[in-house]
Amino acid sequence: QSVLTQPPSVSAAPGQKVTISCSGTSSNIGNNYVSWYQQLPGTAPKLLIYENNKRPSGIPDRFSGSKSGTSATLGITGLQTGDEADYYCGTWDSSLSGVLFGGGTKLTVL
Amino acid sequence: QVQLQESGPGLVKPSETLSLSCAVSGYSVSSAFSWGWIRQAPGEGLEWIGTIYHRGRTYYNPSLKSRVSISLDTSKNQFSLNLTSVTAADTAVYYCARDTGRPSLGLILFDIWGQGTMVTV
Repeated sequence: QSVLTQPPSVSAAPGQKVTISCSGTSSNIGNNYVSWYQQLPGTAPKLLIYENNKRPSGIPDRFSGSKSGTSATLGITGLQTGDEADYYCGTWDSSLSGVLFGGGTKLTVL
Repeated sequence: QVQLQESGPGLVKPSETLSLSCAVSGYSVSSAFSWGWIRQAPGEGLEWIGTIYHRGRTYYNPSLKSRVSISLDTSKNQFSLNLTSVTAADTAVYYCARDTGRPSLGLILFDIWGQGTMVTV
């Protein structure tokens, strides 16, 4: 069981919006930055969001990130079938002096 | 363009040592940033194994710390993972990745990943 808690799955129709939550504690999300990763089936993870809400070059603005207290949220608007993937949050844990990943959320675009 | 490529045996016997390398092209591992290993057991999520900084400092997952070592080979521009006393629970896809964050600032971001290599124990 991961220290960072994500819903196992979310779903929405094409064109709609979905949010994925990531809940932690003050030793991780509460005092550190959050990044988000997209893992398409059979491929390596890809960085989507870093420093809570910044997008790397090439990531469309349909993807957004936010953080409040000890929780972070990934938002995806204008859902496309190509967005079907597993999504992971990640952060540094100051108490463990290590990296944490959430358990992952499987997005289904109905 | 920075690229990472894992290499190593795909099959390791129980109790032996798993050794993988990650060749880096397009960037010098000794210049800056840090280099990490992450694994993913079949059907499971991502698990961070450890990270080495360009000056050699390492951070390891506490649950694996007693069995893990990560090193840099600047002459070959690569970094390596050794995991001792493996069991079936260590069967996973192993990824290497570049981390351009700074833990001292609470910032972690793995911006470039290798394609991953499956290791079966």
